[in-house]
Amino acid sequence: SQQGEEDPQALSIQEGENATMNCSYKTSINNLQWYRQNSGRGLVHLILIRSNEREKHSGRLRVTLDTSKKSSSLLITASRATDTASYFCATASSGGSNYKLTFGKGTLLTVNP
Amino acid sequence: EADIYQTPRYLVIGTGKKITLECSQTMGHDKMYWYQQDPGMELHLIHYSYGVNSTEKGDLSSESTVSRIRTEHFPLTLESARPSHTSQYLCASSLLSVSGANVLTFGAGSRLTVL
Repeated sequence: SQQGEEDPQALSIQEGENATMNCSYKTSINNLQWYRQNSGRGLVHLILIRSNEREKHSGRLRVTLDTSKKSSSLLITASRATDTASYFCATASSGGSNYKLTFGKGTLLTVNP
Repeated sequence: EADIYQTPRYLVIGTGKKITLECSQTMGHDKMYWYQQDPGMELHLIHYSYGVNSTEKGDLSSESTVSRIRTEHFPLTLESARPSHTSQYLCASSLLSVSGANVLTFGAGSRLTVL
């Protein structure tokens, strides 16, 4: 079964609000990454958090990782209409090949102006 | 802008045709990947390569084949396309960082429609 599962599947908010997306995974990991995909395009890497880290910030992005619950969250603060996209978490399993990333189903975020 | 290029971006062909999706990167990355993604769906790894003359099948079974004769080039071929092959195909590459993290750079994708 798929390693990463995002929640919710879709999220619609107003510009200026915060958006929170969650990701759960099943096996032990080396790191967890978040990617963004604009409609019909490829994915763009946003942020990586290692298994020994609990929180990481990058601009308006805040990622948390709870390895005991095998879950991560991505918070986008002060959202903009240009944040509208699908967001995927991806995991690299520990004990296996660190080169193969397994992606979740994604959360479709719509930010209304 | 990512230095990984996929052509064609869009392709509509008839059943039974042979097609090749091209993927090239100018970053010198040793690892390259092909993912398949249906609309609104998750990505599935179908092929990957850790270097020249190295190719492996991914987690999702695919009738396509790949080759890696040059570091920068990782084409995907379907010998006889069928409607079930209709999908978006995403190529990616990576270079393992000194810390061991593997961050992927993606191309814009090739959307294939088989009639």
